[in-house]
Amino acid sequence: QSVLTQPPSVSAAPGQKVTISCSGSSSNIGNNYVSWYQQLPGTAPKLLIYDNNRRPSGIPDRFSGSKSATSATLGITGLQTGDEADYYCGTWDSSLSVYVFGTGTKVTVL
Amino acid sequence: EVQLVESGGGLVQPGGSLRLSCAASGFTFSSYRMHWVRQAPGKGLVWVSRINSTGSSTSYADSVKGRFTISRDNAKNTLYLQMNSLRAEDTAVYYCARERLYDPSMDVWGQGTTVTVSS
Repeated sequence: QSVLTQPPSVSAAPGQKVTISCSGSSSNIGNNYVSWYQQLPGTAPKLLIYDNNRRPSGIPDRFSGSKSATSATLGITGLQTGDEADYYCGTWDSSLSVYVFGTGTKVTVL
Repeated sequence: EVQLVESGGGLVQPGGSLRLSCAASGFTFSSYRMHWVRQAPGKGLVWVSRINSTGSSTSYADSVKGRFTISRDNAKNTLYLQMNSLRAEDTAVYYCARERLYDPSMDVWGQGTTVTVSS
């Protein structure tokens, strides 16, 4: 079972904004950088955010990340139909010495 | 082009073994930590294992510890996952992924290879 908790689903109309939360603990989010991954249907995951809030080259600024204490948040503005995907947070857990993913959130564009 | 290509998946009986390979190209493979991540049908991502750049240090999820072995051949630019004593719950798509330098995020992923454990 995952040690990082995300809401199962979020939805909004095109052009609107959604936020996805990721709740952990001091041994993972609290003391390590958080990443976010996007997985479009039938494809491999793709890195969206690293170091809590940095975007790899080619990721639009509609995607943003933040972290506070033992929680992290992914924001998507100007929602598009192409954003429909599963989103996962991830980080290293220093106590368990393992990498942990969140439970995953499905984004639906209404 | 930076690329990871997995191979070696297939159908195996419970208790059997399988070795997955991940061929890397387009970057200096020997400089990067590498991971295996799996995803059971309809389920979320689950981290399996990590190996450092030289192969001298490895980590495993509890669910595979003692059964799976991660290794690498930097001369062949290839990552491996030896899977023994396979169980039905190991059925999944297995992805290899490159870890970014200086932080633990995974910035390059393969397309995945499917492992099915069934009699």
